[in-house]
Amino acid sequence: DQQVKQNSPSLSVQEGRISILNCDYTNSMFDYFLWYKKYPAEGPTFLISISSIKDKNEDGRFTVFLNKSAKHLSLHIVPSQPGDSAVYFCAARVSSDMRFGAGTRLTVKP
Amino acid sequence: NAGVTQTPKFRVLKTGQSMTLLCAQDMNHEYMYWYRQDPGMGLRLIHYSVGEGTTAKGEVPDGYNVSRLKKQNFLLGLESAAPSQTSVYFCASSWTRTKDEQFFGPGTRLTVL
Repeated sequence: DQQVKQNSPSLSVQEGRISILNCDYTNSMFDYFLWYKKYPAEGPTFLISISSIKDKNEDGRFTVFLNKSAKHLSLHIVPSQPGDSAVYFCAARVSSDMRFGAGTRLTVKP
Repeated sequence: NAGVTQTPKFRVLKTGQSMTLLCAQDMNHEYMYWYRQDPGMGLRLIHYSVGEGTTAKGEVPDGYNVSRLKKQNFLLGLESAAPSQTSVYFCASSWTRTKDEQFFGPGTRLTVL
């Protein structure tokens, strides 16, 4: 039972353009959401998070949007850079339980 | 400051063999976790620990055991490896179990033949 889904396994964008990564969840009890970035042969690294009481959180080029009514989360990267090429995981947490999506591989072309 | 380290990086086992994966963190974190990552699936929590001497089951605990004898170390054991345990294993640590992000190790790729 995948409670967190990333329906796009891959995404390719041109350098300088916007990257939008999407995530859907089914459990309305989730109260905290995170995005992690993963490079090959490395562990995931934390990128940005958002509490369920907010609908937007921004950190430099990265913005996370939360639509609770649609149970939808998105990560915007503007402008995209070749170094952003990685696998991005969204995660959702309630109490001691955190669930991850399967990841989206982002490729930013120069 | 090494962060979270995992030993070994790669391992091949035969069905029925046992092994222990070691995770170490130098950030004085209370919480530590073991995840597995399989193709097409997100990271799934195997076991976690809320402090020295305490452990708890996660989403997929069957076939694994853990121990946290020292605060900085978290061991994951496979008593009798099965091909279904072929996966990439990640260890992580955090200050708390809520809100704070988790810091991940580089992973251990395990193949069970």
